[in-house]
Amino acid sequence: QQQVKQSPQSLIVQKGGISIINCAYENTAFDYFPWYQQFPGKGPALLIAIRPDVSEKKEGRFTISFNKSAKQFSLHIMDSQPGDSATYFCAASPQGGSARQLTFGSGTQLTVLP
Amino acid sequence: DTAVSQTPKYLVTQMGNDKSIKCEQNLGHDTMYWYKQDSKKFLKIMFSYNNKELIINETVPNRFSPKSPDKAHLNLHINSLELGDSAVYFCASSQDRRGTQYFGPGTRLTVL
Repeated sequence: QQQVKQSPQSLIVQKGGISIINCAYENTAFDYFPWYQQFPGKGPALLIAIRPDVSEKKEGRFTISFNKSAKQFSLHIMDSQPGDSATYFCAASPQGGSARQLTFGSGTQLTVLP
Repeated sequence: DTAVSQTPKYLVTQMGNDKSIKCEQNLGHDTMYWYKQDSKKFLKIMFSYNNKELIINETVPNRFSPKSPDKAHLNLHINSLELGDSAVYFCASSQDRRGTQYFGPGTRLTVL
């Protein structure tokens, strides 16, 4: 059972455009929603994260929008650059538990054309 | 300067063999993790240790055995390797059980 559904699987955007990646979750116990960026041959790296008490968080060109009632969150990359070409993963973890157990989405391969 | 390091980076082996992957972090973190990334890039947690104590043990074949000799090291031993074990294995660490997880560069395991 996939608890975090991510779309699209792949995305091609022109330089300067806006990239939008969407995720939906089922577990209402989730209280932490990070986005990770992974370049080929590298490990995932935290990009930005949000908690459900806010509807939006912005860090530079990256923004997370969060809709608690719809159980959806999305990553917006403004002014997309070729260097942003990577695989992006959304994730979620529940409050409580013995550790922050991340459940990842299936990933989105982003290609930004020059 | 490497924060989370793994050895080896690549591992090619025959079915039935036993192999180990090592992970070390120099961040002073208390919690370490092992993840498996399959050929479709799907990432799934396998294990987590906090100060050498096993705290997460997902549904993983018991051929996989993690060991944490100290809080800076977390190794993964795999017995009787199978074709389906081929994947990239990532180690990660966090300052504590709820902290941001920092991933290592991964170990690509290929079982022939």
